[in-house]
Amino acid sequence: DSGVTQTPKHLITATGQRVTLRCSPRSGDLSVYWYQQSLDQGLQFLIQYYNGEERAKGNILERFSAQQFPDLHSELNLSSLELGDSALYFCASSVVDEANSPLHFGNGTRLTVT
Amino acid sequence: GENVEQHPSTLSVQEGDSAVIKCTYSDSASNYFPWYKQELGKGPQLIIDIRSNVGEKKDQRIAVTLNKTAKHFSLHITETQPEDSAVYFCAASIGGSARQLTFGSGTQLTVLP
Repeated sequence: DSGVTQTPKHLITATGQRVTLRCSPRSGDLSVYWYQQSLDQGLQFLIQYYNGEERAKGNILERFSAQQFPDLHSELNLSSLELGDSALYFCASSVVDEANSPLHFGNGTRLTVT
Repeated sequence: GENVEQHPSTLSVQEGDSAVIKCTYSDSASNYFPWYKQELGKGPQLIIDIRSNVGEKKDQRIAVTLNKTAKHFSLHITETQPEDSAVYFCAASIGGSARQLTFGSGTQLTVLP
């Protein structure tokens, strides 16, 4: 168990809808990362927060947004969902944002858009 | 940007044999190379990592080698066991920061009893 908690585990919704994925990092970790895993794109970095502030953006669509709250949990909001958004969404955390800080992944949220 | 290629995409070995997975990277500035194991229904789990100032690192049955000149690194698993069956991902990062990790496409390893 990595200590990173993601809810819900599964989510089924329709095109055009909006969903929120939640992540609680490991105790003591300040940095949270969101990744998308799909069959054709592999693991893609979406966005990172460090101690409540956005630190880096990757291949995140404008329809997607995230935030990190004062208690360090994070939420990823996906809106105007399309069929192609169906994927596994992983949250990962690390103690700090530096070279000696390995990533620890949660078990993901499987999103299915119908 | 960084590009990481991973081979093979699938690998089957007999229990007790060794398994080798290879990755190449494109950006010579990359200096951090972790390996992750992903079991069905779970998230990737860090199993070993290596930095560019080291050529080889071992942890029990797992070892990683790095050839900076050729820009490739490999994962070696010896004395494989059925519980080693999983998808393995390599990754590379510039500056060592996790936010800049680029992942390979994964290798499905099957250890046959």
